[in-house]
Amino acid sequence: NAGVMQNPRHLVRRRGQEARLRCSPMKGHSHVYWYRQLPEEGLKFMVYLQKENIIDESGMPKERFSAEFPKEGPSILRIQQVVRGDSAAYFCASSPTMSGGQAKNIQYFGAGTRLSVL
Amino acid sequence: KQEVTQIPAALSVPEGENLVLNCSFTDSAIYNLQWFRQDPGKGLTSLLLIQSSQREQTSGRLNASLDKSSGRSTLYIAASQPGDSATYLCAVGAGTALIFGKGTTLSVSS
Repeated sequence: NAGVMQNPRHLVRRRGQEARLRCSPMKGHSHVYWYRQLPEEGLKFMVYLQKENIIDESGMPKERFSAEFPKEGPSILRIQQVVRGDSAAYFCASSPTMSGGQAKNIQYFGAGTRLSVL
Repeated sequence: KQEVTQIPAALSVPEGENLVLNCSFTDSAIYNLQWFRQDPGKGLTSLLLIQSSQREQTSGRLNASLDKSSGRSTLYIAASQPGDSATYLCAVGAGTALIFGKGTTLSVSS
């Protein structure tokens, strides 16, 4: 059973370009979480999604950032018009579903995407 | 607002020493607490998960304890080895997200 897969592992963008980060959850998991780790900082929650729904985006910056988890395919974290301050490691996690439809309270992490903005 | 603090921020020990990493959190209403290991430039490896109803978990040379009432957890590493050198992250589960500490960077010298 493959773990959480993130790609690319490393992404270099120039200021003003767009960055698209992809995350495929573990098989059978329908809950996806994105976290950001800035240099010298801890991981910070960004957004929680289920298939076709954003459940909690309280940690997302208000502008330039968006996330989706379509019915088919991976979850995408999109950063428009990147700036140097967006340089960070972005981690995705997934969790399975309990019988009542809620996420089981354990998250499995991918290896992350390291974004460098020149 | 839940805050997670890890002390010390960095720790250097000679091989073979037993050591304790500390984690404290401000709100005792948590579902679980998890310890992760992160190697430089790498992802997170889950070490131990303690549910809120549990007091401790053990895996090999690692033992993690949880005291919800005092808002503390400790990660005990026995007979440390150079391969244990990494950053250790504590995270509490409360609501949607995991709340992480900034980590303790451990260096074990041979």
